[in-house]
Amino acid sequence: DAGVTQSPTHLIKTRGQQVTLRCSPKSGHDTVSWYQQALGQGPQFIFQYYEEEERQRGNFPDRFSGHQFPNYSSELNVNALLLGDSALYLCASSLVGHVNTEAFFGQGTRLTVV
Amino acid sequence: ELKVEQNPLFLSMQEGKNYTIYCNYSTTSDRLYWYRQDPGKSLESLFVLLSNGAVKQEGRLMASLDTKARLSTLHITAAVHDLSATYFCAAQSTSGSRLTFGEGTQLTVNP
Repeated sequence: DAGVTQSPTHLIKTRGQQVTLRCSPKSGHDTVSWYQQALGQGPQFIFQYYEEEERQRGNFPDRFSGHQFPNYSSELNVNALLLGDSALYLCASSLVGHVNTEAFFGQGTRLTVV
Repeated sequence: ELKVEQNPLFLSMQEGKNYTIYCNYSTTSDRLYWYRQDPGKSLESLFVLLSNGAVKQEGRLMASLDTKARLSTLHITAAVHDLSATYFCAAQSTSGSRLTFGEGTQLTVNP
């Protein structure tokens, strides 16, 4: 079992550009959540995808959008990048059913905006 | 809205000493997680606590959960330098699997 995998591991982008981050959930999981962790802070919930729809959303602007594919993998897109978007982006997968299961995290994507 | 508070935020300990990190959360939660994070790395899961009175131990770390007080603790016994890292607690909401994290406790264990 490969666990949760994210790509790329590191990324450097210029202000104003757009970026796409990818996440493959742990085998058997159907839900993907994205978190942003700025330096020195705890992870902040961006949004969660289940059945290819955004199910919950945190306090992030519309520049942050996502998608979930039929195979449960997910993408996080950020448009019009700002310097403040520099952070570690973490993906977590879980199985949502009658009882929520434990969330497992990927290794993260370090995004630097210059 | 679920809120999670950790204290202390910074902890400097001597090797061999004991200490406790506290995690308070504001509303009912399905699960309470403890994670370790080394600089530049992702989150390493330490413990998942499900029910009131749950206690789990791994090596020098022990976590407990009191759902009535909405309090979890992470106790460090006889600290060693290798435990130096940032520790996060996170509460999982009862509606969906969203996690709300505390600010983290940066632990430094000095020889």
